[in-house]
Amino acid sequence: SQQGEEDPQALSIQEGENATMNCSYKTSINNLQWYRQNSGRGLVHLILIRSNEREKHSGRLRVTLDTSKKSSSLLITASRAADTASYFCASDMVDYKLSFGAGTTVTVRA
Amino acid sequence: DAGVTQSPTHLIKTRGQQVTLRCSPKSGHDTVSWYQQALGQGPQFIFQYYEEEERQRGNFPDRFSGHQFPNYSSELNVNALLLGDSALYLCASSFQTGISGYTFGSGTRLTVV
Repeated sequence: SQQGEEDPQALSIQEGENATMNCSYKTSINNLQWYRQNSGRGLVHLILIRSNEREKHSGRLRVTLDTSKKSSSLLITASRAADTASYFCASDMVDYKLSFGAGTTVTVRA
Repeated sequence: DAGVTQSPTHLIKTRGQQVTLRCSPKSGHDTVSWYQQALGQGPQFIFQYYEEEERQRGNFPDRFSGHQFPNYSSELNVNALLLGDSALYLCASSFQTGISGYTFGSGTRLTVV
């Protein structure tokens, strides 16, 4: 069973627009991580936010974490065609494993 | 700097056969985790190896087994393959508990026919 869920399942935006996707999880976490996957290949680590942090930035990425609502969001600003990919949130619990949601597929149109 | 290396890239096996997948972790990492990703789904945790022992296991049958070698590399073995084992198998390495994140390999695409 999967710990989290992403919303929406799919997102189509114009180049230059912002993309926002949300993630919910079920149990307490050490941290929450976001990954990108291109065309069913390996996962690329984007950003990690710890349970005591509320917001984190990395380049064009902004992640928020609300532990009271057990939710997180990923914002990609000024999207590019190269941002077309599937994005996964993964909750890192205390038992040495990541629990992934089903992912959000983002398509950036030129 | 070499990241996580997985081999082979693609593999086709017949139902009932056995398969071994290999993973070399990123330099400096000592922990290896394996994940199964079915088409259209998120990765599912299979197990994690640390200090050559299985430290944690997900909800997978005993047909899935693994090993970690003294150089931290790892193997995933699947016996008596089923059609449902067709998936992308991902290896992730980390330092100890993975509190600073994981580095994933490009995966092995296993097709069972």
